[in-house]
Amino acid sequence: GENVEQHPSTLSVQEGDSAVIKCTYSDSASNYFPWYKQELGKGPQLIIDIRSNVGEKKDQRIAVTLNKTAKHFSLHITETQPEDSAVYFCAASLSGNTPLVFGKGTRLSVIA
Amino acid sequence: DAGITQSPRHKVTETGTPVTLRCHQTENHRYMYWYRQDPGHGLRLIHYSYGVKDTDKGEVSDGYSVSRSKTEDFLLTLESATSSQTSVYFCAIRAEISPLHFGNGTRLTVT
Repeated sequence: GENVEQHPSTLSVQEGDSAVIKCTYSDSASNYFPWYKQELGKGPQLIIDIRSNVGEKKDQRIAVTLNKTAKHFSLHITETQPEDSAVYFCAASLSGNTPLVFGKGTRLSVIA
Repeated sequence: DAGITQSPRHKVTETGTPVTLRCHQTENHRYMYWYRQDPGHGLRLIHYSYGVKDTDKGEVSDGYSVSRSKTEDFLLTLESATSSQTSVYFCAIRAEISPLHFGNGTRLTVT
């Protein structure tokens, strides 16, 4: 089955700097890659997703890139703010109807 | 939170007792999932449902059973709770070819 590896497990950045979180997946047939943000005491919330027919997607300060050949995808957050501090999860699935397999998460701390 | 209610939000129980967690949705979505979250393990799929009375096992299904007798409710049962089942449990829902949305979780402690 699918296996998703996520790095780093913890990341600290200064406010205003960029943050990058990387994930690799094992099943070359996977074609849907969402990213979730989890704040303390809450459930994960979708922040951006990408499908395999797209190489990059942006939404304001957040972008995701996908390299299907290398089987990895990354989350980029620019101009980080204290409210970006949270745990971020990447995930992958074969298709929209297949259960998501999640990475182990990255705890991002933005230092003011 | 996408019309998902998990109950209870917190529960403490003793080893060997049965426990049922409930997930209720108001979105009429077809797909419902139970994940558990543990430090160092991220989110792992326990069971999921793709319709009323249609369920399947996930990665960590041992010791858990589920039932879905109505579209809106998905129950997770621990027949005889063990300390290894101390965790935060998340329900999630999804419509056809749409993103997954999570509830706010149930924190279960087995003493």
